[in-house]
Amino acid sequence: ETGVTQTPRHLVMGMTNKKSLKCEQHLGHNAMYWYKQSAKKPLELMFVYNFKEQTENNSVPSRFSPECPNSSHLFLHLHTLQPEDSALYLCASSQGTPGIDNSPLHFGNGTRLTVT
Amino acid sequence: AQSVTQLDSHVSVSEGTPVLLRCNYSSSYSPSLFWYVQHPNKGLQLLLKYTSAATLVKGINGFEAEFKKSETSFHLTKPSAHMSDAAEYFCVVSAYQAGTALIFGKGTTLSVSS
Repeated sequence: ETGVTQTPRHLVMGMTNKKSLKCEQHLGHNAMYWYKQSAKKPLELMFVYNFKEQTENNSVPSRFSPECPNSSHLFLHLHTLQPEDSALYLCASSQGTPGIDNSPLHFGNGTRLTVT
Repeated sequence: AQSVTQLDSHVSVSEGTPVLLRCNYSSSYSPSLFWYVQHPNKGLQLLLKYTSAATLVKGINGFEAEFKKSETSFHLTKPSAHMSDAAEYFCVVSAYQAGTALIFGKGTTLSVSS
């Protein structure tokens, strides 16, 4: 049990579908993140939320839409995705700000997304 | 700018032999450095971190890493590999002045044979 739970574990969707990924953290952390992990590429930071406010959006296409209703829940809404969006999507949380106070990231087990 | 290079994409060792996973970094500021491990079908887990205290850092599961400023390196070692160490390992750099972003390396896959 990692303290960060992601659902679903696997998702297959067509390019015209709309789906959502869910992340929930039970650690009392203030910050939550979405990362994209593709084969042979470094982990890519997509979005950062601190106290429910989005603080970073790293030039992510608008077909990815995050939502953070409270400090414990984070969603990633998906629509009209492309096959190259197939990847492992990881959610993480932290108590502080890793780049400032070296707080560790706590990761969920990810959602394996396949776009057909 | 900050960057991190993991020098080997794949390392294979036999059980009971030493492990060395190499990482070089580049940073305009005093860096903080991390190693994370990812087992199959799992998320990443923090192994250890260096934050300008002792240069030799001990982590979980018998791993340790040494920060060498002169060589800009932060190599991960373990004296004796175990089958359960087979996983993907990521070297990560952050810098106080660089905001919230952590820079991840591309990862090194460690295989352990019996």
